Amino acid sequence: KNQVEQSPQSLIILEGKNCTLQCNYTVSPFSNLRWYKQDTGRGPVSLTIMTFSENTKSNGRYTATLDADTKQSSLHITASQLSDSASYICVVSAIGTASKLTFGTGTRLQVTL
Amino acid sequence: EAQVTQNPRYLITVTGKKLTVTCSQNMNHEYMSWYRQDPGLGLRQIYYSMNVEVTDKGDVPEGYKVSRKEKRNFPLILESPSPNQTSLYFCASRTSLGGNTIYFGEGSWLTVV
Repeated sequence: KNQVEQSPQSLIILEGKNCTLQCNYTVSPFSNLRWYKQDTGRGPVSLTIMTFSENTKSNGRYTATLDADTKQSSLHITASQLSDSASYICVVSAIGTASKLTFGTGTRLQVTL
Repeated sequence: EAQVTQNPRYLITVTGKKLTVTCSQNMNHEYMSWYRQDPGLGLRQIYYSMNVEVTDKGDVPEGYKVSRKEKRNFPLILESPSPNQTSLYFCASRTSLGGNTIYFGEGSWLTVV
């Protein structure tokens, strides 16, 4: 069964600090992995998309990494801001099933003063 | 501006009273889908559509119907809502290429009493 597990479930950090969120998946055969940011009560917004051949992709202060061998991805947030407070969702799709995505349950990040 | 628009955003209804949640996208995307999001669970796909008049069940289709008569619209129909359909619903769209960005609507909060 295809699964995506994220850790930690929640995280509190001080403004200006860095943090790393983890995503482990068992989706096979792997097609691509996406990271989304979801503000409370709003729709998810895309941060990055990575295919099998990509190990790193950045979007401003967000940097995603992918290790397709160990089936792990991480999202690193640099110099966090209060506006980074949100849930971060890892989403994986398999080859041949472009219509089916497997979603993680997300990491809830709170950035405080 | 690329948009996926859902209506209504908030709705409280009674058990058994048919309702429709509309979804419209302005990006000429072939692929559209509906998800529900419940506490502690990742987004789960209800139905998807690869193009006009082409729809298929997702992971949790029971109690829902959809139609795709026009490319831009993909309404979600609850013929006889029940309390277990109380949830946050998201419509999403993308091009037919599997690796492209998925755009989500702002969500529809539905409560069935």
